[in-house]
Amino acid sequence: GDSVTQMEGPVTLSEEAFLTINCTYTATGYPSLFWYVQYPGEGLQLLLKATKADDKGSNKGFEATYRKETTSFHLEKGSVQVSDSAVYFCALSGPTNAGKSTFGDGTTLTVKP
Amino acid sequence: DAGVIQSPRHEVTEMGQEVTLRCKPISGHNSLFWYRQTMMRGLELLIYFNNNVPIDDSGMPEDRFSAKMPNASFSTLKIQPSEPRDSAVYFCASSLAGYGNTIYFGEGSWLTVV
Repeated sequence: GDSVTQMEGPVTLSEEAFLTINCTYTATGYPSLFWYVQYPGEGLQLLLKATKADDKGSNKGFEATYRKETTSFHLEKGSVQVSDSAVYFCALSGPTNAGKSTFGDGTTLTVKP
Repeated sequence: DAGVIQSPRHEVTEMGQEVTLRCKPISGHNSLFWYRQTMMRGLELLIYFNNNVPIDDSGMPEDRFSAKMPNASFSTLKIQPSEPRDSAVYFCASSLAGYGNTIYFGEGSWLTVV
């Protein structure tokens, strides 16, 4: 079945540092890939998505590129802020799963001033 | 636009009591999901519905848990009887059916069973 493997956390960075959170996946067919973010005390919300190979999703300074050859969708940001402190979930939605998304375990990011 | 609406936001109940969590999905969405989140187990899918019909309930932990979706705008998750290990945040989420669609989460119902 489909699966998502995320870089284990927690990750602690200083403000303005470069962020990478690794995500690899296993899926049948051509899934859509997502990053969701969960701020403290809130539900998950979409950060960015990509629907086909080589697509780049971007939002709020975050980027991720759909790499089919390496089955990866790594999340990057060039300069993190304290307000980026949250839990980040990589997810996929594949054609064999009837609309049910598969989530990674989440990576907790803490950004210190 | 109103998002996914859950109630109650916080609930504290005694062991053995019945708990009912409620959800109103985004209008027009025809898939609905119930998730549970804990520190120990992370985010778990309990059950999901397409067009009000339960499609996969394999994540429901045991018979004490039940979920219904009587119409397109309302769903409930019931725990009877509740136990301390049910303490968690329960999220309802909705989306358009079909793969590749974004899932929209509610703010969660924070349940504490004492």
